[in-house]
Amino acid sequence: DTGVSQDPRHKITKRGQNVTFRCDPISEHNRLYWYRQTLGQGPEFLTYFQNEAQLEKSRLLSDRFSAERPKGSFSTLEIQRTEQGDSAMYLCASSIAGGRYNEQFFGPGTRLTVL
Amino acid sequence: TQLLEQSPQFLSIQEGENLTVYCNSSSVFSSLQWYRQEPGEGPVLLVTVVTGGEVKKLKRLTFQFGDARKDSSLHITAAQPGDTGLYLCAGRGIQGAQKLVFGQGTRLTINP
Repeated sequence: DTGVSQDPRHKITKRGQNVTFRCDPISEHNRLYWYRQTLGQGPEFLTYFQNEAQLEKSRLLSDRFSAERPKGSFSTLEIQRTEQGDSAMYLCASSIAGGRYNEQFFGPGTRLTVL
Repeated sequence: TQLLEQSPQFLSIQEGENLTVYCNSSSVFSSLQWYRQEPGEGPVLLVTVVTGGEVKKLKRLTFQFGDARKDSSLHITAAQPGDTGLYLCAGRGIQGAQKLVFGQGTRLTINP
């Protein structure tokens, strides 16, 4: 399978714990995006990387959130001191910089539940 | 802030009927993408439109980008139960913006 992959698919944690999610983009894609989707809503942009550089962060990305893409391939999203409001689907997408339409292809998501 | 409003939010129709979903904004977008999402999965890209007035067809689905590139529509002809899902429109802003701005989605149910 050559699509975007995310791990884990589901995560249940207690409030106050830290969690980390991983995203592996399509192999030739140099842009990687993180979005968050809550129930009944469309995805909301969190941040994106071009290669290893983090080029944009949303105001939604509080100080408890940090994303990395150290080698320009896979990325991790860490949430520290989780809160119940962090419960959501976390989606990763990738695209090719300079691609004709910057089409973004999404992974299956990580469903986070904070108890 | 760029916003995309989708209507209707929910639509339940019988197999064989036609339907149209709308995606509207007061902002201009450089391109607009339509996705379909199944429960518990990520969105799957259906089509991208980039030129004002552009029409693209994907089997029984017809996508149109408004002349001013502020709105779009998705028309499904002779809907099938397999068309059931959440349809999302997403716009990319002008001036080099990379992030997508999504509508809240239209949940479509096709009853056999």
